[in-house]
Amino acid sequence: DAKTTQPTSMDCAEGRAANLPCNHSTISGNEYVYWYRQIHSQGPQYIIHGLKNNETNEMASLIITEDRKSSTLILPHATLRDTAVYYCIVRVHILTGGGNKLTFGTGTQLKVEL
Amino acid sequence: DAGVIQSPRHEVTEMGQEVTLRCKPISGHNSLFWYRQTMMRGLELLIYFNNNVPIDDSGMPEDRFSAKMPNASFSTLKIQPSEPRDSAVYFCASSLDLATSFHEQFFGPGTRLTVL
Repeated sequence: DAKTTQPTSMDCAEGRAANLPCNHSTISGNEYVYWYRQIHSQGPQYIIHGLKNNETNEMASLIITEDRKSSTLILPHATLRDTAVYYCIVRVHILTGGGNKLTFGTGTQLKVEL
Repeated sequence: DAGVIQSPRHEVTEMGQEVTLRCKPISGHNSLFWYRQTMMRGLELLIYFNNNVPIDDSGMPEDRFSAKMPNASFSTLKIQPSEPRDSAVYFCASSLDLATSFHEQFFGPGTRLTVL
């Protein structure tokens, strides 16, 4: 699985968009980008994933560059409850069942402040 | 749905004692994962099962650790004998793992283990 690089920490004002970058310059053509987050003292929570097209759901948007070497997770209107560690994970989705383990890096600690 | 259920939520034990952590996955999910999280090493995958069969246990630190999944609704992670360096938060996660589509992993609340 491709290695990812994320900033250690970021701050964001409540109500503003939070843009969390992820570098995955060694990504291969069949590897997806996944984002999970972990709020303090809780288990990680899935946010979004994508292959090459931009994706949006009720939680966030995922923008993947055309060369796929980097991506940005966007929380359009951050709230205090979005304070968490955000993990960017790159891996192949194995279509044989039973192989979809995740490897978590150190992530980005996002702090949303008033 | 109650989500992934883990018990106990907190466990304090003494070095050398046996510890058993329990997990009930979401009903219908066929993959189950055990993770360990520490400040030093972050979130590490220990072992995962698919259809009750262990697929990859390469993350299990040593023979003191063992995991079982006797049926689709229950799994255990056992540490015998426990050591202080085993102190961590242990998470269980489950997912519906099908060959045809992506399904997210759902994590339980974790068990905080302290070995004195």
